[in-house]
Amino acid sequence: AQKVTQAQTEISVVEKEDVTLDCVYETRDTTYYLFWYKQPPSGELVFLIRRNSFDEQNEISGRYSWNFQKSTSSFNFTITASQVVDSAVYFCALSELYNQGGKLIFGQGTELSVKP
Amino acid sequence: DTEVTQTPKHLVMGMTNKKSLKCEQHMGHRAMYWYKQKAKKPPELMFVYSYEKLSINESVPSRFSPECPNSSLLNLHLHALQPEDSALYLCASSQEGRGEGNEQFFGPGTRLTVL
Repeated sequence: AQKVTQAQTEISVVEKEDVTLDCVYETRDTTYYLFWYKQPPSGELVFLIRRNSFDEQNEISGRYSWNFQKSTSSFNFTITASQVVDSAVYFCALSELYNQGGKLIFGQGTELSVKP
Repeated sequence: DTEVTQTPKHLVMGMTNKKSLKCEQHMGHRAMYWYKQKAKKPPELMFVYSYEKLSINESVPSRFSPECPNSSLLNLHLHALQPEDSALYLCASSQEGRGEGNEQFFGPGTRLTVL
């Protein structure tokens, strides 16, 4: 069965702190895709990153970085030097290659609050 | 143009009303999706259209009726809704309807209130 677990429901940090959002997934497929989305208070889900199961390279994009480890089935997201604009709900999601319709399995989300 | 647009932004309707939500994308994507999202919860998939054909219906009640007039447009027709249907309705599109290349791009949503 496919499942995504984001154990941290809420995180509160002060601006400029680094913060890591955890994501653990379960799948039986050997080919799958992992995603992070950001949902600010306005409501729109913003795509941040996709990672394929066969590519375990970590990725850095500005203040954002992602650590994909198949051995622990984790795909963690780190924001360096957080800013107030990073305040949002962050969703980790899983999609399997042979899953009809490319259905996204979402985690429950982590609400990040960055205080000035 | 990497945008998914949705209208209206907000909708208030009574339980006997009929209304429609609209979604449009001009990215040449061949898969389009409707999600329902309640507060503090992740989006729940309702329908998937792939190449203008309904490919997934996640056991959604018949008071929700999707329609895909062409590859750029997706509608959700609402009729005889219940107050518990109040939620944020999100539309998304992706290049294909499978795992490969399946970043889904979301619209801003329609916040629906059923009185």
